[in-house]
Amino acid sequence: GQSLEQPSEVTAVEGAIVQINCTYQTSGFYGLSWYQQHDGGAPTFLSYNGLDGLEETGRFSSFLSRSDSYGYLLLQELQMKDSASYFCAVQHAGKSTFGDGTTLTVKP
Amino acid sequence: DGGITQSPKYLFRKEGQNVTLSCEQNLNHDAMYWYRQDPGQGLRLIYYSQIVNDFQKGDIAEGYSVSREKKESFPLTVTSAQKNPTAFYLCASSPPAKGSNQPQHFGDGTRLSIL
Repeated sequence: GQSLEQPSEVTAVEGAIVQINCTYQTSGFYGLSWYQQHDGGAPTFLSYNGLDGLEETGRFSSFLSRSDSYGYLLLQELQMKDSASYFCAVQHAGKSTFGDGTTLTVKP
Repeated sequence: DGGITQSPKYLFRKEGQNVTLSCEQNLNHDAMYWYRQDPGQGLRLIYYSQIVNDFQKGDIAEGYSVSREKKESFPLTVTSAQKNPTAFYLCASSPPAKGSNQPQHFGDGTRLSIL
């Protein structure tokens, strides 16, 4: 089966940098995606890593190490609007398996 | 604008009743998915379909059924066999997942509750 682990909660202050880690166990791994979900809303796609290394998209970056079955999402210059849940998801066999999510709280 | 439309936004089910959640997309995506989300938890896959007239069970398919008669539509029926249906249901679509980056686009969800 597939399993992913990520911290349940992270708190940071406005303007800071925060890293959300994700470790996974899976077969047929294609890539690791990250999604953001505001309370009561729909998840939106943030980033994808199919190969080892860092992908940068504006204030958000994502990293993957396939040999370590590990990835992280890095959020820089945190803003209050970044308070949300963040999910890592493993792509495999034509579908995705999601982690339980990390709730990020950004404080003034 | 292209997107995914889920309806209704809120739905109430009586004991012993089947209810159907609608999901329509105009993104021309081949793949469609149904997820269930319980409070404070992640998304669990109910059913998915990679192509019209074909679908596969996800991790929690018991008590649910789907059909994929058209590319644009992937309705989910919550049957009376699903004893704990209260949850937030999310529909998503993507281009064919063939090993490359195929991000999923989500609808706004349907909140289902028991009366």
